[in-house]
Formats: sequence, structure tokens, C-alpha cells
Amino acid sequence: EAQVTQNPRYLITVTGKKLTVTCSQNMNHEYMSWYRQDPGLGLRQIYYSMNVEVTDKGDVPEGYKVSRKEKRNFPLILESPSPNQTSLYFCASTSFPGQVRFGPGTRLTVT
Amino acid sequence: GDSVTQMEGPVTLSEEAFLTINCTYTATGYPSLFWYVQYPGEGLQLLLKATKADDKGSNKGFEATYRKETTSFHLEKGSVQVSDSAVYFCALSSGNTPLVFGKGTRLSVIA
Repeated sequence: EAQVTQNPRYLITVTGKKLTVTCSQNMNHEYMSWYRQDPGLGLRQIYYSMNVEVTDKGDVPEGYKVSRKEKRNFPLILESPSPNQTSLYFCASTSFPGQVRFGPGTRLTVT
Repeated sequence: GDSVTQMEGPVTLSEEAFLTINCTYTATGYPSLFWYVQYPGEGLQLLLKATKADDKGSNKGFEATYRKETTSFHLEKGSVQVSDSAVYFCALSSGNTPLVFGKGTRLSVIA
């Protein structure tokens, strides 16, 4: 089954403790991206990747890092999380034109 | 840059009522247009799409027509059900560019 998986689905952590949210897709898509969803702000893109070893900033990249060492995986890294990064995060995988499949989401709380 | 504006919610309707959620866009070129739906506790799913002017996307009783002259892609359903309660996102994609989302409209349908 074609899918995007994210782990963990829920995470509560403390300020400054590094964390990684994993994302994996099994559709051989080249384009992957990360979004955060916040009430009243909709979905905002954090980072995207057009292909292996090619990543670029989205609209709200501050405080985040990504890597794309292989096509199927696109982890999101928070080196020093802060409370304003408390949010619902979605990984997405895209085949052009425009067929986007989203992961189930990761709800992150930073205290 | 490209942008999407959709009506703010929340929208509350009685079962079997008619639904319209307005969506307008600004874009260079000729974007593809999408509606995504997010059911409670889940990720986003593609509901319908249209890739060129005058195309009508439809799925699960929902419809939207790509209107180039009014730069709109309004979502409609003739008779909503309680199970349609969700957040609906209008989005566009121009070529190989990331999806641009509206802020989402929460729909609640009451029996």
C-alpha cells in the first residue's frame, strides 16, 4: 500500500532536548516536504526536498533542519526545541503534477 | 507569490443542508487547484482536483469548478452529512512548485 509514515505520532519533550521526527515514503517520489499546522495559520511549509541531497527552505524554516540521504526518508530535526515549536507536523510526498500524499501527522508539545 | 484565500470558519450546518466553501487564488501561470480534507485526528487527504480552466473536480458528492475568469475554486455539496465534519483546505500548485494552502475551513454538521 502506498503510504507516508511518520514517527512518533505524539511527542512531549522539554526545551532544548534535541529530537528527530522520521518520515518515510514507499512510492519512489522525488519530492518530499514538511509542514506545520497551527490554529488560524493553516499549513505552512518548513522545508522541502526535490531529490536526494537537495533540500531547501520553505516559509518557516527557523529552528529546523532536514536531511535527504536517501529517496525514501526525509527526517525533520529540531536541534534545540522551544515552546513555539509546539505544533502538529505533517510530512508529505509528491508526484508531479500535484498528487500529494500526507503522513498521519506528529503532534509535538515542547514544555 | 502564489496565494490562496478561503472563507474563514467555522461553518456549522444542519444535516442535508447545502454547503459552499469559497476559495480564490492568485498565481502566475496556470496552476492546478485542489481541495484537501482533514478528518478529526487524521492527516490530510486529497478530496478533489482540477488541472485546467473549466475543469470540474468531484468526489464523495463534493464538486468544485476551476474558474479562471474569477480565479476561484469554490467547494460545494448539495446535502451534507454528519460524517462530512472536517477541516477543508483549498490549495494550488504551479508546475513543480510546492503546494500553497489556504488557512482551512472547519465544517461542523449537526444532526
